[in-house]
Amino acid sequence: DTAVSQTPKYLVTQMGNDKSIKCEQNLGHDTMYWYKQDSKKFLKIMFSYNNKELIINETVPNRFSPKSPDKAHLNLHINSLELGDSAVYFCASSQGWGSYNEQFFGPGTRLTVL
Amino acid sequence: QQQVKQSPQSLIVQKGGISIINCAYENTAFDYFPWYQQFPGKGPALLIAIRPDVSEKKEGRFTISFNKSAKQFSLHIMDSQPGDSATYFCAASNGGGANSKLTFGKGITLSVRP
Repeated sequence: DTAVSQTPKYLVTQMGNDKSIKCEQNLGHDTMYWYKQDSKKFLKIMFSYNNKELIINETVPNRFSPKSPDKAHLNLHINSLELGDSAVYFCASSQGWGSYNEQFFGPGTRLTVL
Repeated sequence: QQQVKQSPQSLIVQKGGISIINCAYENTAFDYFPWYQQFPGKGPALLIAIRPDVSEKKEGRFTISFNKSAKQFSLHIMDSQPGDSATYFCAASNGGGANSKLTFGKGITLSVRP
């Protein structure tokens, strides 16, 4: 049973396109996150949601828009893709908010912008 | 400004040896220090974590040593095995509030030679 799943696993697209990444967790957690891991493996938080409410919004271009239809899903939509958006995007979830709670990561979505 | 710095950048250890990864932080408000392990093609997973009220925590072959005055903590892997070969991230956060977030180090790649 997959705890945190993401689709697609790979995404290759042209500059200027709009794309979405979907995330679902079946752990019953209240909090979900999006992280970006760059080519040097540096991992940085982008957003967090608790019970569908946006909690953390890091300095991320507004071309990135998260959407949480329910507490088990957190999708990431990216408009007008740029070369610098190429990275691996990880979804994660935790029981409760706050960083003391263990975060469970999905397998990642490798986005390549050509 | 990198708030959490890891060293070395990469590490090669013989099977059975001790792997030591160091982490230094700057923000004295940090009060939670986890280590995450990431295998190729997978998301990071929590390995072990420590709060600053203790100087050491051990779980199986993995030990965190914490030095609050030096603002440093380290991960020791005893009897290192080839299956330990992965990327290791230290992280830090301040508080358990809703807007607390994990700040990750850049990660180090550990290779354990058979």
